[in-house]
Order: sequence, then C-alpha cells, then structure tokens
Amino acid sequence: GAGVSQSPSNKVTEKGKDVELRCDPISGHTALYWYRQSLGQGLEFLIYFQGNSAPDKSGLPSDRFSAERTGGSVSTLTIQRTQQEDSAVYLCASSLGWPGDTQYFGPGTRLTVL
Amino acid sequence: AQTVTQSQPEMSVQEAETVTLSCTYDTSESDYYLFWYKQPPSRQMILVIRQEAYKQQNATENRFSVNFQKAAKSFSLKISDSQLGDAAMYFCAYPVNAGNNRKLIWGLGTSLAVNP
Repeated sequence: GAGVSQSPSNKVTEKGKDVELRCDPISGHTALYWYRQSLGQGLEFLIYFQGNSAPDKSGLPSDRFSAERTGGSVSTLTIQRTQQEDSAVYLCASSLGWPGDTQYFGPGTRLTVL
Repeated sequence: AQTVTQSQPEMSVQEAETVTLSCTYDTSESDYYLFWYKQPPSRQMILVIRQEAYKQQNATENRFSVNFQKAAKSFSLKISDSQLGDAAMYFCAYPVNAGNNRKLIWGLGTSLAVNP
C-alpha cells in the first residue's frame, strides 16, 4: 500500500512569509507525528496526534507554529512569519499504535527560509 | 533526563565486513522499546530493527542484529556482510510518554560509509 506522503518536497520562502506543509499518513494509522530535522541537531519532536483528539502543543518551538489534523487523517503544519532558523527538513510519521509499533516516515519537506 | 547518545558521528566499513554502531540511552522505565532507524541520502527514514527491553534475546533481522545490555543501557547495532546500500545515517531512538505527547527520543546519528 501507499506510504506516508508529504508535500511539497521542497519549499523556498522569504523571511516573514507563511508556509503550509502537508502530511498524508498511511490509511488506518491513528497516530501521526511531526519532527524537525536540522543539520547537526538530530530530530526534534514537534507534535503528536492521536485520531481526532486535540494535540498537546507544548513541543512546538514557538507560537508561530500550529498544526491540525482533519478527519483523523491528513495533517497540516503551518509556520507563520517564517524565520531563517525555521529552515530544516520537516518529517511526518504515522503508526498503528504505541509504543512498539513502527513509525513510518514520509520523505520530508525541506524548508529554506531566505 | 531522557537522552540517547551515539558516540560515533562517523564510521566506515569495507564492503562485506562487519561494523558495530554504538548507542547508550537513559530511562527510568523498566519496560520499553528501542529502535534503530536508517536514513539514506534520499531522506526516507526506515526502521532497521527493534528490541523489547523485557526480552533478553537480542533482536535479529537478516544481516542486522543488536547487542542489548539492559543494565548498562547499551543498544549497539551490528551490520554483517556490509553492502554499498547500507551507507546511510543510522539513528538510535526510544519512545517516551511526555505528558499528553508520545514521541521518539533520538540520538544525533552515525554516518556510515561503505567502501567498495
């Protein structure tokens, strides 16, 4: 079956602009995760969705970041007023359950803020 | 603190040889999972192998195996008969509950080069 897909694969934007990153999880996976991968800094957890439940936003790095998941499926990560430090690869993953189930990752979105 | 340490930023191995990547972690849990993920240049993160902490037997997946030492909180990955396609970043990770969040805690990764 289809894996996790993300769009766009690359995004170049100017400082101060808003961007939306999209994630389509594997069908039937109730858990969805967003991570940020910066060069030399490993993976940083951003947010977790379980089904339709409201997420805990404490992992988001600033109030410029927001995320939603519609219908327990597709998720959108929005960054408002982008800054150069937001440049990174944004990875989305989904899993059937927790904690031993595999997190399946998408190919990521590389965001470059000029 | 919940941390994962990968002490080898870079490793190299000759094709067909064996290499071991190290990982140590810190958790107060008694039962947990541990994962090794691989990220090739294509960026797609792929699960290599998983270990359940309550299982004493080391996990094995074809050419990949782990040396899990629970008391030492060590979880190393052994790659046997290395192939050119094994060249990638390898990350050690484990899942934690943090309030209402569920997330993987990651090491900084080991970049593995495979020499022909």
